[in-house]
Amino acid sequence: AQSVSQHNHHVILSEAASLELGCNYSYGGTVNLFWYVQYPGQHLQLLLKYFSGDPLVKGIKGFEAEFIKSKFSFNLRKPSVQWSDTAEYFCAVNERTGGFKTIFGAGTRLFVKA
Amino acid sequence: NAGVTQTPKFQVLKTGQSMTLQCAQDMNHEYMSWYRQDPGMGLRLIHYSVGAGITDQGEVPNGYNVSRSTTEDFPLRLLSAAPSQTSVYFCASSYDDRAASYEQYFGPGTRLTVT
Repeated sequence: AQSVSQHNHHVILSEAASLELGCNYSYGGTVNLFWYVQYPGQHLQLLLKYFSGDPLVKGIKGFEAEFIKSKFSFNLRKPSVQWSDTAEYFCAVNERTGGFKTIFGAGTRLFVKA
Repeated sequence: NAGVTQTPKFQVLKTGQSMTLQCAQDMNHEYMSWYRQDPGMGLRLIHYSVGAGITDQGEVPNGYNVSRSTTEDFPLRLLSAAPSQTSVYFCASSYDDRAASYEQYFGPGTRLTVT
């Protein structure tokens, strides 16, 4: 069965620290990859996505993610976090062909100390 | 556009009661999904639909029914509520862009408690 694993459930960082959140997936075919974010009290919104081309994708608010096909990974990075990045982050995957059905990881709660 | 709307925002049910969670979208999206969000488990797909009249099961369909009679609406029915269905429920819609990436647009959620 398809699955998505996020390595850290809780991360606490100080402002200006660098961030990397891990995501691995198990899918046999060609995939689309996503990171969604849920800020406190808000609903989920797309942070960035990869569907083809350059494996390094850039999203909103200075976030980026790198697709490494050989490792089945799509890690999220940000060089310098801000207090406003406190949120829960979800990695998600669907298959490119007939692939609307999307599977999410368990999420990573990030808390950034001011 | 209102995007994806969900009603109610909060609901408390007693074990065995039934209810319908409403979801509507005004973006003419073909695809719609229902997820439940539980602490430490992320979002789990309950049911999804790829168009009016077409629905399919997700990861955790037991105890839930759906139907899709129009493009806009995708209600989720709990036939006999159980405490294990206490959760936050999210509806999402999507479309097939040229890249077939199916980015999803989420509603604000319904927080359901079953006592």
